[in-house]
Amino acid sequence: DTEVTQTPKHLVMGMTNKKSLKCEQHMGHRAMYWYKQKAKKPPELMFVYSYEKLSINESVPSRFSPECPNSSLLNLHLHALQPEDSALYLCASSQGNRAPSSYEQYFGPGTRLTVT
Amino acid sequence: AQRVTQPEKLLSVFKGAPVELKCNYSYSGSPELFWYVQYSRQRLQLLLRHISRESIKGFTADLNKGETSFHLKKPFAQEEDSAMYYCALMRYKLIFGAGTRLAVHP
Repeated sequence: DTEVTQTPKHLVMGMTNKKSLKCEQHMGHRAMYWYKQKAKKPPELMFVYSYEKLSINESVPSRFSPECPNSSLLNLHLHALQPEDSALYLCASSQGNRAPSSYEQYFGPGTRLTVT
Repeated sequence: AQRVTQPEKLLSVFKGAPVELKCNYSYSGSPELFWYVQYSRQRLQLLLRHISRESIKGFTADLNKGETSFHLKKPFAQEEDSAMYYCALMRYKLIFGAGTRLAVHP
């Protein structure tokens, strides 16, 4: 399996809801990433997990809460979001994030989130 | 600060014409550079990385440290090359340029 999968494909949620995005990979990658992509903009890094530990948080608001239950799974828990949080949320994975040979990131198809 | 600049938002060419998508970076060390491509309704995927010096789908990119550039080139564009192209610099994270949309017309 050489793909990163993400569920759900689309999500509509109100500002008081709690929801979660899920990402899965079975390539044995040890680094996993969450990105946010607004329309016609490049992806912006949110979080990096390396060997199941949070290694980078790009000053993301606490209403976004990442979780890495095991080396294949990455979740993003959402609570009390704002309409401006509506975007495509991308998950990616790579072999690692410390050596050039590990840098290639494989992206999932994304979850299109709409906050109403 | 590290930065990646893609000066063209849109590049429009006819099928068979040469293509050059420009990318300039600012970084004082030895850069790790990539080109990612996003076809319509498909996921973002790696096209090229400079350390491998390979040609993928007819595209090549050469790192020019003197000009701090990593331009993407293809001698003869095909309609299926139409997509969004992102140049990216790897530091502790991928730093993406704003992207260039390539439109290849028949």
